[in-house]
Amino acid sequence: GEEVAQTPKHLVRGEGQKAKLYCAPIKGHSYVFWYQQVLKNEFKFLISFQNENVFDETGMPKERFSAKCLPNSPCSLEIQATKLEDSAVYFCASSLLGNTEAFFGQGTRLTVV
Amino acid sequence: AQSVSQHNHHVILSEAASLELGCNYSYGGTVNLFWYVQYPGQHLQLLLKYFSGDPLVKGIKGFEAEFIKSKFSFNLRKPSVQWSDTAEYFCAASTGTASKLTFGTGTRLQVTL
Repeated sequence: GEEVAQTPKHLVRGEGQKAKLYCAPIKGHSYVFWYQQVLKNEFKFLISFQNENVFDETGMPKERFSAKCLPNSPCSLEIQATKLEDSAVYFCASSLLGNTEAFFGQGTRLTVV
Repeated sequence: AQSVSQHNHHVILSEAASLELGCNYSYGGTVNLFWYVQYPGQHLQLLLKYFSGDPLVKGIKGFEAEFIKSKFSFNLRKPSVQWSDTAEYFCAASTGTASKLTFGTGTRLQVTL
């Protein structure tokens, strides 16, 4: 597609429940990035992929967070046993090559109650 | 570690006023610099980018930015703002290939009629 598509737009989970977010990058883009935006300001990098391979996972919390980009499937970000502090907007971005600009999706607003 | 600073947290301007938003980065090597805009309830959109070459970069919607290497700055400017420019503006930097973006904390611009 011509834009980064993220689903769902909103997700509400009770503490301890699992949350799974999806991202379809722009067709032909090789790189996918996940960012977490808390309090409408800070963007925190989580993880990036080059095709289906993890490229940089230095921002991923060691526990509870995992992500995948499998061939012919949307990329996914999964949070096991959500906590209140996981409430945020999660943005996915994709770029054609490693040194080109990233295009962002609309985000998924996760609310943990 | 790389960091990006935006010192103006909230700026209020009247329509037709000139705009300059500050952005400073801390990294001694080669950096790629970006300005993104986030309109209320929407995703990040790229305004302009600098990779190399002419330090004065022109972007969409009449925005421009100047890369001043000696000052580690990449300030955003617009000669005459419009009410529709009301949004959150984020400066970001990356280094190398496929590098994650490091964002500033954003500047909220409010344009009054």
